[in-house]
Amino acid sequence: DTAVSQTPKYLVTQMGNDKSIKCEQNLGHDTMYWYKQDSKKFLKIMFSYNNKELIINETVPNRFSPKSPDKAHLNLHINSLELGDSAVYFCASSYEWGRGYEQYFGPGTRLTVT
Amino acid sequence: DAKTTQPPSMDCAEGRAANLPCNHSTISGNEYVYWYRQIHSQGPQYIIHGLKNNETNEMASLIITEDRKSSTLILPHATLRDTAVYYCIVRGSSNTGKLIFGQGTTLQVKP
Repeated sequence: DTAVSQTPKYLVTQMGNDKSIKCEQNLGHDTMYWYKQDSKKFLKIMFSYNNKELIINETVPNRFSPKSPDKAHLNLHINSLELGDSAVYFCASSYEWGRGYEQYFGPGTRLTVT
Repeated sequence: DAKTTQPPSMDCAEGRAANLPCNHSTISGNEYVYWYRQIHSQGPQYIIHGLKNNETNEMASLIITEDRKSSTLILPHATLRDTAVYYCIVRGSSNTGKLIFGQGTTLQVKP
């Protein structure tokens, strides 16, 4: 039973395309996150949703649009993909956002834009 | 959230204790110290966290100095599978939940 799962695991696409990454957690958590890890291995938060409500938006280009249809899912849609979007994207979840609970990460989606 | 400083890399012999230091001299009273690790190509994994007292779980021990300006993560019997990047993160309990990852310490466990 995978706690936090992401699909797809690998995504190769061309510049200008639109793509989505899906995330699901079966832990019953209220809060979900998207992180980006670039080629230099820096991990940086992008978004966070708590009970389907956006609570963190870290100055990410508006080509990136997160969507949370329910508490268990947080998808990331990317429009007009650019070379600089190539990275590994991690989804995570936690019980609550303001109480310092540990976060559980998914396996990552490696996005390559050519 | 306070900034942390970690050595970029460390080696440890298999079976020995691995002691990973972290400096957080600007930590404030309500901020916790968290440790995560990232094994190659996997998502980060929570290890342990603490506020003032030393903490221990099945994975590791966390020793926080009395002035809280530094801490040490201890893996008591390191195995090859513990080779990873270890991140020390300081965050308040009332923040929005975001984790700010630094460069971390790359721990290489050698046979």
